[in-house]
Amino acid sequence: GQQLNQSPQSMFIQEGEDVSMNCTSSSIFNTWLWYKQDPGEGPVLLIALYKAGELTSNGRLTAQFGITRKDSFLNISASIPSDVGIYFCAGQAQGAQKLVFGQGTRLTINP
Amino acid sequence: DGGITQSPKYLFRKEGQNVTLSCEQNLNHDAMYWYRQDPGQGLRLIYYSQIVNDFQKGDIAEGYSVSREKKESFPLTVTSAQKNPTAFYLCASSQGVFIYNEQFFGPGTRLTVL
Repeated sequence: GQQLNQSPQSMFIQEGEDVSMNCTSSSIFNTWLWYKQDPGEGPVLLIALYKAGELTSNGRLTAQFGITRKDSFLNISASIPSDVGIYFCAGQAQGAQKLVFGQGTRLTINP
Repeated sequence: DGGITQSPKYLFRKEGQNVTLSCEQNLNHDAMYWYRQDPGQGLRLIYYSQIVNDFQKGDIAEGYSVSREKKESFPLTVTSAQKNPTAFYLCASSQGVFIYNEQFFGPGTRLTVL
């Protein structure tokens, strides 16, 4: 079945640093989604991508749909304490009825 | 406010008992989903429904059952057949399943089996 590899699994950074994480797939996807989950809460959709090469921003967050359609990247600029949480990527292949989720990247920020 | 509600937030159950988790959405979405999340893990799909009175098994459906009698509601029953039911359960909805499948999640229900 389809699998998503999300890396890194965890990140420990200083406040103000930039963050970069990515997801790679074993197959081609038509949709990439990025979510953030706070402890004990449901994931919140951050960015949705639908075209290869697409670059989309949401405030300090920027995500890209890889040209090969097998990967996606999420960058966070000038991190702040409220960025702490788990970030998930999710993808969907053409004709598929389900999203495939990555295992998540846990972001910890030292003030 | 439009959104997805799940109740209760915390649920305790004795071994051998069935329990039903509630999920309601007022986003007018056709599709609804149930996921299970274990500590430090990603999301695993239990069941999903594209339209009323129709649903399909996800990757880990054994020991669970669902119904979709109304567009707004998609309750999940965790049966006594589920061997390891303690987990965080998330409900989600989207406009459809094939395209623009942006799924929006509820706040989750944490189930603990005593």
